[in-house]
Amino acid sequence: GAVVSQHPSRVICKSGTSVKIECRSLDFQATTMFWYRQFPKKSLMLMATSNEGSKATYEQGVEKDKFLINHASLTLSTLTVTSAHPEDSSFYICSARYQGGTGELFFGEGSRLTVL
Amino acid sequence: AQSVAQPEDQVNVAEGNPLTVKCTYSVSGNPYLFWYVQYPNRGLQFLLKYITGDNLVKGSYGFEAEFNKSQTSFHLKKPSALVSDSALYFCAVRDIMYSSASKIIFGSGTRLSIRP
Repeated sequence: GAVVSQHPSRVICKSGTSVKIECRSLDFQATTMFWYRQFPKKSLMLMATSNEGSKATYEQGVEKDKFLINHASLTLSTLTVTSAHPEDSSFYICSARYQGGTGELFFGEGSRLTVL
Repeated sequence: AQSVAQPEDQVNVAEGNPLTVKCTYSVSGNPYLFWYVQYPNRGLQFLLKYITGDNLVKGSYGFEAEFNKSQTSFHLKKPSALVSDSALYFCAVRDIMYSSASKIIFGSGTRLSIRP
């Protein structure tokens, strides 16, 4: 149980276009999902907390108009990178909180975004 | 504020030897502590957690971790390392003041390399 699916795993886009990444909890309901960005030196940066049915909470320094988060159902959150630029190229990882336990996170497989 | 530190960027161990990956934490209350593992270009996988009870926690793939309250540490251990254990390991902490919005904070990660 507690499987999180993330799609697409890899995406290449042109500068100026928008890209949507989906995160689904397959066998549990997730009222809260989290979006992380992982930099080449391996550290995970929490970008935002996605709450079902309400606005996402963004971390300091993360542009909410650039990284649009929607959590329309208990099993789906989406991250849209708008007007992407090469500096947005990164590995994006979503996670969902398993409500039935002590709140550990289960992670998607990540999405590698390359902006040309 | 909560924080977690992994003092070693890299740990190198010969196959068959015991391994330890260090983690120390700081929280205002009592902690929930977690270890995750990440293989290349993949999401994070949950290994084990400490919530309460026995200070020695057993997890997946033969890993265990010891909670030490006086030293505020939660080191990851394995008695006999395998080459397949080579990966990136993250320690994480969550403040026990539970709410649906409370965050899990990750350490900077430690790269574990097991040589044959």
